[in-house]
Amino acid sequence: EAQVTQNPRYLITVTGKKLTVTCSQNMNHEYMSWYRQDPGLGLRQIYYSMNVEVTDKGDVPEGYKVSRKEKRNFPLILESPSPNQTSLYFCASSLGSGLVDAFFGQGTRLTVV
Amino acid sequence: KQEVTQIPAALSVPEGENLVLNCSFTDSAIYNLQWFRQDPGKGLTSLLLIQSSQREQTSGRLNASLDKSSGRSTLYIAASQPGDSATYLCAVGNQGGKLIFGQGTELSVKP
Repeated sequence: EAQVTQNPRYLITVTGKKLTVTCSQNMNHEYMSWYRQDPGLGLRQIYYSMNVEVTDKGDVPEGYKVSRKEKRNFPLILESPSPNQTSLYFCASSLGSGLVDAFFGQGTRLTVV
Repeated sequence: KQEVTQIPAALSVPEGENLVLNCSFTDSAIYNLQWFRQDPGKGLTSLLLIQSSQREQTSGRLNASLDKSSGRSTLYIAASQPGDSATYLCAVGNQGGKLIFGQGTELSVKP
């Protein structure tokens, strides 16, 4: 079954404690991206990757890092989480950019206290 | 800077009604426009994609229209059902593949 898998689904952590949200897709998609969704602000792109070892900043990259060492995986790293990073995070993958025929993960609800 | 606005933020209708969701954007130089559906606790599902050269797209009971000159798109849902209850998002794409999302309209269809 074609899917994008994010883990964990829910996470409560403390300020400053490094964390990683994993994202994996099984469709051999080249394009992967991370979004955060906040009330009143909609979805905003954090980082995206056009292919292995090719990543670039989206609209709100501050406080986040990503890596793309393998085609299937695109982890989101918060080196020192802060409360303003409390949000709902989505990973998406598609054959090309623009999220046409994209698959989304089920989301990770992160709370930083 | 492209801005995408969806009105209303929430909508509640009785089952069987036809309804229209609105999306407006400030910069008409778009490459495409997509409508997505988001169910609680789940990711987004793409419903319809309209290329900038197209005026509308249809899928089943859904019809999306695009008027680039006025910066507007509508999603028409015919004969609404409780299973249509979800949040509907529109997103405008540029030629580089970047998407700008609206804030969404939360639709509730009452039996």
